[in-house]
Amino acid sequence: EVQLVESGGGLVQPGGSLRLSCAASGLTFSDQHMDWIRQAPGKGLEWVGRIRNQDYSHTTEYAASAKGRFTVSRDDSQNSLYLQMNSLKTEDTAVYYCARAMNGRYFDLWGQGTLVTVSS
Amino acid sequence: DIQLTQSPSFLSASVGDRVTITCRASQGLSSYLAWYQQKPGKAPKLLIYAASTLQSGVPSRFSGSGSGTEFTLTISSLQPGDFATYYCQHLNGFPLTFGGGTKVEIK
Repeated sequence: EVQLVESGGGLVQPGGSLRLSCAASGLTFSDQHMDWIRQAPGKGLEWVGRIRNQDYSHTTEYAASAKGRFTVSRDDSQNSLYLQMNSLKTEDTAVYYCARAMNGRYFDLWGQGTLVTVSS
Repeated sequence: DIQLTQSPSFLSASVGDRVTITCRASQGLSSYLAWYQQKPGKAPKLLIYAASTLQSGVPSRFSGSGSGTEFTLTISSLQPGDFATYYCQHLNGFPLTFGGGTKVEIK
């Protein structure tokens, strides 16, 4: 079965750090462009960042809200995607989804999401 | 950044109704637009990509149209499982953005 499973969410204080993971199975992970997308409670979807596949040298793109604070990385040998989040703010509270970007454009495979709560 | 404006933001409809949701872009997208369905507590599900291509496994009552700056998602006959929130997303460069969503509720 093709699936993505996120982990690593939890409660963190403002200014703190957290690392999310996304484990992929049932697909050739190294061939995929992978993204993080988040959804604040009761709000819409917000794209966070992308890491391209090995053919594109694992280059990254970020939303303005993530640039300089968040880092998307991957370990193709472990079929895993990561989101390192530093200097967290209360407005980063959200469910974070990892997703496969099919053809680099649309998200055809999503994880179940992991909740990050930034609060003192 | 490309802004996507969905309308309406809320829609009340009955089973069997024909429903149309519009997504307007702040600049031309060619056909680089996708539609997603999201139910409470679940991840979004891809319905339509490239403006009008139905994702595998999605019922044919869903259809998409449009190009440039105006796009529509149509549900030809609303079914009980279709009550959800729908989002458009542009695929035309970074940053990727989503529309604000349209919540379809039971009348």
